Amino acid sequence: AQRVTQPEKLLSVFKGAPVELKCNYSYSGSPELFWYVQYSRQRLQLLLRHISRESIKGFTADLNKGETSFHLKKPFAQEEDSAMYYCALRGTGGFKTIFGAGTRLFVKA
Amino acid sequence: SQTIHQWPATLVQPVGSPLSLECTVEGTSNPNLYWYRQAAGRGLQLLFYSVGIGQISSEVPQNLSASRPQDRQFILSSKKLLLSDSGFYLCACDRDREETQYFGPGTRLLVL
Repeated sequence: AQRVTQPEKLLSVFKGAPVELKCNYSYSGSPELFWYVQYSRQRLQLLLRHISRESIKGFTADLNKGETSFHLKKPFAQEEDSAMYYCALRGTGGFKTIFGAGTRLFVKA
Repeated sequence: SQTIHQWPATLVQPVGSPLSLECTVEGTSNPNLYWYRQAAGRGLQLLFYSVGIGQISSEVPQNLSASRPQDRQFILSSKKLLLSDSGFYLCACDRDREETQYFGPGTRLLVL
């Protein structure tokens, strides 16, 4: 069954500290993986996707097929990074996107 | 780019009353449309999706239904609301061959 697991509901770090938001997935084929972010009073929006292999707002995520993980990382957290982060999976050729439960990141000054 | 509108933004309804939430999309044609419910600690749960007018797929059995009367209009309905229907409902869209979903601002529903 397709599943996305974000083990941490809440993550709190100090400004300037490294941050890693964990995401593990379960899928029998080769999925597309995404990170979505929802800032306070804003719409849920795409942050990055694994096929782009890009860094957005200093965040990167590497797809590890062996560990079935897609952890989101940033070396130096900023206060404006505080938000709700969702890891998501879409199967090849499918219409459905499966979302994790989300991790709320607090970056403290 | 696509813009998604949802209304109302907030709704308070008594148990047993009907429900109609509307979602409309601008800036694209023939989109795939989705209804999600966002619950605290449970992420986004896909409720319905539609790949075309009149085509609705239901993901979970529940007290809700969806309809797509026009290409860029997606409606979430209920004949009799339950307390458990309370939540935050998000409409989303994407297009074939694109993988990014765009989300609306959401509707917060409180059933009392």
